[in-house]
Amino acid sequence: GAVVSQHPSRVICKSGTSVKIECRSLDFQATTMFWYRQFPKQSLMLMATSNEGSKATYEQGVEKDKFLINHASLTLSTLTVTSAHPEDSSFYICSAREFGGLYGYTFGSGTRLTVV
Amino acid sequence: GDSVTQMEGPVTLSEEAFLTINCTYTATGYPSLFWYVQYPGEGLQLLLKATKADDKGSNKGFEATYRKETTSFHLEKGSVQVSDSAVYFCALSDRDNAGKSTFGDGTTLTVKP
Repeated sequence: GAVVSQHPSRVICKSGTSVKIECRSLDFQATTMFWYRQFPKQSLMLMATSNEGSKATYEQGVEKDKFLINHASLTLSTLTVTSAHPEDSSFYICSAREFGGLYGYTFGSGTRLTVV
Repeated sequence: GDSVTQMEGPVTLSEEAFLTINCTYTATGYPSLFWYVQYPGEGLQLLLKATKADDKGSNKGFEATYRKETTSFHLEKGSVQVSDSAVYFCALSDRDNAGKSTFGDGTTLTVKP
């Protein structure tokens, strides 16, 4: 079945640095990927929709310049947290939509970001 | 907009007890419905899904039926195990909303031996 690989699974970075998170669809092409953020003991909030070959669509309240999304190929989307601050510490999860399949139901394993 | 309302937790059960986690939804289009499970420190795993009214999704002893008339998708399991302890999320994906997933707040289940 459809598999989504997310890397890294955990990352610790210093305040002010940038961190890149990768989301890959391993055995299918994904024209659309979604990035979610999960705060401790809370649900998932959609941050942005990543579209291959075009600009990402951000949800209201999400800073485009802080959370840079690049979807350069049909199997890879990246989320870069720029100038990270402790309040950016969270669990980030991507999901990929398989062309012709159900919408957005295959998730990566998530990335735990801790900014110190 | 779309929304998902889940039964508040936490839920604590003894092993072999019957589980029900209620989930209701509102959607403008014709959504597909999902239950996801998240074990501590891990990402989301798809537990089961249903794509149209009256469909029943089932997996690992869990099941849920897509009820359009009551806009519900309640999760049930006849006999829970300690290993079922996790957070369960009800979600919908609405193809009229570009396929975005909308999640409920999650229900924490703890099963005691």
